[in-house]
Amino acid sequence: DSGVTQTPKHLITATGQRVTLRCSPRSGDLSVYWYQQSLDQGLQFLIQYYNGEERAKGNILERFSAQQFPDLHSELNLSSLELGDSALYFCASSVAMRGGESTDTQYFGPGTRLTVL
Amino acid sequence: AQTVTQSQPEMSVQEAETVTLSCTYDTSESNYYLFWYKQPPSRQMILVIRQEAYKQQNATENRFSVNFQKAAKSFSLKISDSQLGDTAMYFCAFTPNFGNEKLTFGTGTRLTIIP
Repeated sequence: DSGVTQTPKHLITATGQRVTLRCSPRSGDLSVYWYQQSLDQGLQFLIQYYNGEERAKGNILERFSAQQFPDLHSELNLSSLELGDSALYFCASSVAMRGGESTDTQYFGPGTRLTVL
Repeated sequence: AQTVTQSQPEMSVQEAETVTLSCTYDTSESNYYLFWYKQPPSRQMILVIRQEAYKQQNATENRFSVNFQKAAKSFSLKISDSQLGDTAMYFCAFTPNFGNEKLTFGTGTRLTIIP
């Protein structure tokens, strides 16, 4: 158990719908990362938040958005869903600069499997 | 831009044998971290081992060790005394600077341990 939690585990929805994926980082971790794993694209970085602020963006579609709340949990919102959005969505967390020291290891949650029908 | 290449899509080995998974990467950074993650059938991403580029000594974690060749930009994973539970996809990953940035993953190697 990495200490990172993600809900829900599975999500089945229809095209055009909107869903929210939730992530709680490990205790003390300030940085949250979202990744998408699909069969044709492999593991792709979507977005990173650090202590409530967006820090980096990757291959994230405009239909997707995220935020990190004061309690450091994060949500990934996916809207106007398409069949191609079906994938495993991972959240990872790391401490990322605490007390001036950088710690680099990202620990992954169990993922949310999204199926768009 | 950084790239990570895993040239072995699939490998198989008998239980108790040793197997080496290959990974090469391309970067202009001088300080970075390299990782091997394991993804068993449960799809959980599990950290196997980590290597800091500024350390010359190769990382070791129990039966898992790496051969880090910085000049050649090579980072292979050796699994000794392989066990059935080692059956999984293995991903090599890179993050620049001293971390705090996204992971760039290779395409993975599917490893099967044969009883």
